[in-house]
Amino acid sequence: EAQVTQNPRYLITVTGKKLTVTCSQNMNHEYMSWYRQDPGLGLRQIYYSMNVEVTDKGDVPEGYKVSRKEKRNFPLILESPSPNQTSLYFCASSPRSTGRTYNEQFFGPGTRLTVL
Amino acid sequence: GNSVTQMEGPVTLSEEAFLTINCTYTATGYPSLFWYVQYPGEGLQLLLKATKADDKGSNKGFEATYRKETTSFHLEKGSVQVSDSAVYFCALSISNSGYSTLTFGKGTMLLVSP
Repeated sequence: EAQVTQNPRYLITVTGKKLTVTCSQNMNHEYMSWYRQDPGLGLRQIYYSMNVEVTDKGDVPEGYKVSRKEKRNFPLILESPSPNQTSLYFCASSPRSTGRTYNEQFFGPGTRLTVL
Repeated sequence: GNSVTQMEGPVTLSEEAFLTINCTYTATGYPSLFWYVQYPGEGLQLLLKATKADDKGSNKGFEATYRKETTSFHLEKGSVQVSDSAVYFCALSISNSGYSTLTFGKGTMLLVSP
């Protein structure tokens, strides 16, 4: 089954304790992205990656790191989490577009993170 | 920059009522437009899309028409069901080096009662 998986689905942690949220896709997609969803703010892009070893900042990158060492994986790293990073996080992937043809982004199920 | 504005919710309807969720956008160039749906406890799923002016996207009884003159992409459904209760996101996409980056609205929660 084609899918994007995220782990863990739920996480409660404390300020300053490094954590990693994993994201994996089995569709051989080039493009992967992380979003956070907050009430009243919708989804905002944190980082994205156009291919292996190619990453770039989205709209709200502060406090986050990513890496893309393999095509299928795109982990999100919080080196020193703070309470304002309490949020619902989504990973997404899509294939490369051709011309103006849009290729659907496939979303993972989400990771609910609470930082105390 | 690019932005999407959609009506605030929650929108509360009775089953079989008519639904409209308004969405307007600001973009440079010629964006593609989308509606995504998020059911409780799940990720986002593409509901429908339109890639150029006057295109109509449709799926599962939902429709939206790309109106360039009013920069709008309103979502409509003639008769909603309880199972349509979800959060709906309007989004636009601009091609970026062969990849489509999405800009989302803040989402509109729809609650349908029996």
